[in-house]
Amino acid sequence: GQQVMQIPQYQHVQEGEDFTTYCNSSTTLSNIQWYKQRPGGHPVFLIQLVKSGEVKKQKRLTFQFGEAKKNSSLHITATQTTDVGTYFCAPLRAGGFKTIFGAGTRLFVKA
Amino acid sequence: DGGITQSPKYLFRKEGQNVTLSCEQNLNHDAMYWYRQDPGQGLRLIYYSQIVNDFQKGDIAEGYSVSREKKESFPLTVTSAQKNPTAFYLCASSIGLTSGDGYTFGSGTRLTVV
Repeated sequence: GQQVMQIPQYQHVQEGEDFTTYCNSSTTLSNIQWYKQRPGGHPVFLIQLVKSGEVKKQKRLTFQFGEAKKNSSLHITATQTTDVGTYFCAPLRAGGFKTIFGAGTRLFVKA
Repeated sequence: DGGITQSPKYLFRKEGQNVTLSCEQNLNHDAMYWYRQDPGQGLRLIYYSQIVNDFQKGDIAEGYSVSREKKESFPLTVTSAQKNPTAFYLCASSIGLTSGDGYTFGSGTRLTVV
């Protein structure tokens, strides 16, 4: 089956520092979605990447899709306390029809 | 406002009892899903449905059952056969299985077996 690894599992940062989480797949992906789940909340859709090498930005968040469409990253510039939560990647395998979720990276931001 | 409603928010169940979790959406989405989340872990797919009267097992379907009699509704029954049912259950929907708009999640039901 499809394997997806998300690293790191946890990340503690000081407010204002940058943060990056990585999602790596063993198979080529059709697309990849990213979600954020606040503590005690439910996942909220952030973005979808489809094209090889695609880069999308949402304010301080930058999302990248690898050239081989097997990995992706989410980078947050100058973290704020409102960024705390768990970030999940959710890839769709090429030729597949079922999105799976990575284990997530939990971000802690110290003010 | 359109969205997904899950009820109840908290549920306590005695061992050996079946319990049904409600999920209703008014987004006119075709696809619906049930996920289970354990503390500090990711989401595991229990069941999903592409259209009314059709549903498929996910990765951890044992001990669970679903129905999809209406487009808006996708209830999940946690049966007594589920060995470790205490978890956070999330229902989601999307326009289709490969929707670029992502999944919309409900606020979840926290089930505790006592």
